[in-house]
Amino acid sequence: DIQMTQSPSSLSASVGDRVTITCRASQSISSYLNWYQQKPGKAPKFLIYAASSLQGGVPSRFSGSGSGTDFTLTISSLQPEDFATYYCQQSYSTPYTFGQGTKLEIK
Amino acid sequence: QVQLQESGPGLVKPSETLSLTCTVSGGSISGYYWSWIRQPPGKGLEWIGYIYSSGSTNYNPSLKSRVTISVDTPKKQFSLKLSSVTAADTAVYYCARGPSGSGSQVDYWGQGTLVTVSS
Repeated sequence: DIQMTQSPSSLSASVGDRVTITCRASQSISSYLNWYQQKPGKAPKFLIYAASSLQGGVPSRFSGSGSGTDFTLTISSLQPEDFATYYCQQSYSTPYTFGQGTKLEIK
Repeated sequence: QVQLQESGPGLVKPSETLSLTCTVSGGSISGYYWSWIRQPPGKGLEWIGYIYSSGSTNYNPSLKSRVTISVDTPKKQFSLKLSSVTAADTAVYYCARGPSGSGSQVDYWGQGTLVTVSS
């Protein structure tokens, strides 16, 4: 199985901050990397596919980059509704696997 | 807008079989892959497996011996059966559409249903 490792596991930030979350794959996954946002008690919400393509309706303050084994999710200016847990997921090979999550909290 | 809704028992006894159904509305079930994903309380996400609308399946090897996913296209439903459950199978179970699109992403999710394994 391909292991996905996110860092940090948790992050405290303020409204307006720029934040970056990193996701590393245990082997090359090309650009088969997706990002999801999950709020407490809710299903994950799909944000970014193929490492850098924004799903329709997702604010442009979200962006993704990377290829191979190293990927990042950046939020350019945090809004109150962005405080949530973020997961990366590889779709390069089955079994599809997720990172352990990064909890973004209000400072 | 595609919507998915899980249904099934919220409590299952150890050693029994967990059975859930997902009903798809607002879009076609044909021509897509459909997945089950679970999340133990307070933990991360685990992909269980997927089924194509034609019936072909792909399961997580860690669960393969206990999992069956099936599809009923006319009813626009797909189902999960997980046998010989233990407390470790207690989780929120999500049905979802995907892998889909150029990133093989999971693009629509059900709200999730908590299944507790306990006697």
